[in-house]
Amino acid sequence: DTEVTQTPKHLVMGMTNKKSLKCEQHMGHRAMYWYKQKAKKPPELMFVYSYEKLSINESVPSRFSPECPNSSLLNLHLHALQPEDSALYLCASSQGGGKDILDTQYFGPGTRLTVL
Amino acid sequence: QKEVEQDPGPLSVPEGAIVSLNCTYSNSAFQYFMWYRQYSRKGPELLMYTYSSGNKEDGRFTAQVDKSSKYISLFIRDSQPSDSATYLCAMKASFNKFYFGSGTKLNVKP
Repeated sequence: DTEVTQTPKHLVMGMTNKKSLKCEQHMGHRAMYWYKQKAKKPPELMFVYSYEKLSINESVPSRFSPECPNSSLLNLHLHALQPEDSALYLCASSQGGGKDILDTQYFGPGTRLTVL
Repeated sequence: QKEVEQDPGPLSVPEGAIVSLNCTYSNSAFQYFMWYRQYSRKGPELLMYTYSSGNKEDGRFTAQVDKSSKYISLFIRDSQPSDSATYLCAMKASFNKFYFGSGTKLNVKP
């Protein structure tokens, strides 16, 4: 099973709301990722968790706050977002292991976020 | 210069044609290469991955890597309208960071 699940599928929020995106995988992968994707653009890396520790933060604004409660779950907490943050938010996982080059990434279906 | 370059297309072909999608890269440390297919408003779906120069075949799909030229290709034989999607190449060097091409939009006409 190579499935990564994400909830919710769609989210509409106001600029003062607080919401969370959730991601889950049961492949035993030790690296999990958040990406942001705008229309007709490739995925843009936001955060990487490796062995439940934040290993990469691509200078993402603090209104996005990631959390990795355990090896299967990844959350993205949203607060005071701007309309330009509207995008498809993708979660992905990979076996991880840092220097392990025999690795590949599996994506979830994404959460389509609209900020009003 | 971007790490990974990919022609955005769109590429329009008739059903049954052979499709060639390509990416070039500048970082010789890239060792692991992937192709993803992404339908509109969906997450990318892993199609193929390889870590060595040469060809790898899976059904109608063939992935080709030429490390000496820093060039990778995906060939689709007997293309179908259901192959219409955006195709993303991705590459990885060492740590947990993947680099994506900008994606090529493919349209296969019935």
